[in-house]
Amino acid sequence: KAGVTQTPRYLIKTRGQQVTLSCSPISGHRSVSWYQQTPGQGLQFLFEYFSETQRNKGNFPGRFSGRQFSNSRSEMNVSTLELGDSALYLCASSLTDTSYNSPLHFGNGTRLTVT
Amino acid sequence: GENVGLHLPTLSVQEGDNSIINCAYSNSASDYFIWYKQESGKGPQFIIDIRSNMDKRQGQRVTVLLNKTVKHLSLQIAATQPGDSAVYFCAENLNTGNQFYFGTGTSLTVIP
Repeated sequence: KAGVTQTPRYLIKTRGQQVTLSCSPISGHRSVSWYQQTPGQGLQFLFEYFSETQRNKGNFPGRFSGRQFSNSRSEMNVSTLELGDSALYLCASSLTDTSYNSPLHFGNGTRLTVT
Repeated sequence: GENVGLHLPTLSVQEGDNSIINCAYSNSASDYFIWYKQESGKGPQFIIDIRSNMDKRQGQRVTVLLNKTVKHLSLQIAATQPGDSAVYFCAENLNTGNQFYFGTGTSLTVIP
């Protein structure tokens, strides 16, 4: 079974631009979560989607947004990029909306560099 | 402010020895915990999980111990191998769906 797929693998953007990252969950998984990983802050929760609905949102500004499609694929968008948005963005999928039954499975991330 | 890197605890062990990685979690209401392994250039990989109604859980070569009294979690790796070299994270969940809070991580180096 294919794992979580994130595209693109690497991105370089300029301050002020916007970016869209894509995530395809494991087949059959309906929950998708996004995390930001930086050397300064570690792994931080961005948001979670289940059945196309945002269920939880972390403490990030409104410039960070996401959505989930009917096939469970998800995208996240960051507008008006800042230097501090440079990070590894990780997508994780889970079978259900409660991780007790199915732990998070992560993709290999999209490395975003803002210059 | 300045983006200072997290101080990542490090652990070096000889191949074949047992490793113990510790984690102090923050919220006494957390009721589900996972250990993840992250190798360079890859996303975190699930190792083992434990619910708060358990003190110990064993997997293949790994054991997780949970001490709720002192909010402490540990991961024991038996007969550590070079392929175990990675950064290990503990993650806690407060029964809030799939929202997890991750520890800062421990870098494990296995010396052949």
